Amino acid sequence: SQQGEEDPQALSIQEGENATMNCSYKTSINNLQWYRQNSGRGLVHLILIRSNEREKHSGRLRVTLDTSKKSSSLLITASRAADTASYFCARYVNNDMRFGAGTRLTVKP
Amino acid sequence: NAGVTQTPKFQVLKTGQSMTLQCAQDMNHNSMYWYRQDPGMGLRLIYYSASEGTTDKGEVPNGYNVSRLNKREFSLRLESAAPSQTSVYFCASRTDSPYGYTFGSGTRLTVV
Repeated sequence: SQQGEEDPQALSIQEGENATMNCSYKTSINNLQWYRQNSGRGLVHLILIRSNEREKHSGRLRVTLDTSKKSSSLLITASRAADTASYFCARYVNNDMRFGAGTRLTVKP
Repeated sequence: NAGVTQTPKFQVLKTGQSMTLQCAQDMNHNSMYWYRQDPGMGLRLIYYSASEGTTDKGEVPNGYNVSRLNKREFSLRLESAAPSQTSVYFCASRTDSPYGYTFGSGTRLTVV
């Protein structure tokens, strides 16, 4: 079973628009992480947010965390065609990382 | 370039054949992991090794064995491949801190 569930499963937007992806989880966390996967490649770590943080920024990425709702969101602002990829949230379960099924983002030029 | 190296990148096996997927990292990480990725399923943990000399089962270990040969290398073996093991396999490593994993580029395995 997956420990993080991303929503939506797929998202298609125009270049320049913002993209928002959501992640829900079931049990308490120390931190939550977001990864990107380009087609045919391995996952790349984007950002980590700790349980005592509510928001974190990294360049065009903004991550929020609501531990009371057990949810997180990833916002990509001013999207580019190069942002086309799958995005996964992940968290530790029993000393290993569990990933959701991901959101497939397509940014049209 | 520092990182995680997986070999081979592609492999086709016949049912019942065996093979070993190799993984090596040069970042001096203690922990290493093997995941499989299937369409619509995200990544699922097969086995992991928290340190040299130790290995533990993950979420989907059946049909696989692993060896932590040394701190750098962590191999995954399929003793008798089955079509259900057709997947993309990823190796990853991390430091002791709970920060992000570093992933290899994957091995695409097809069992016919």
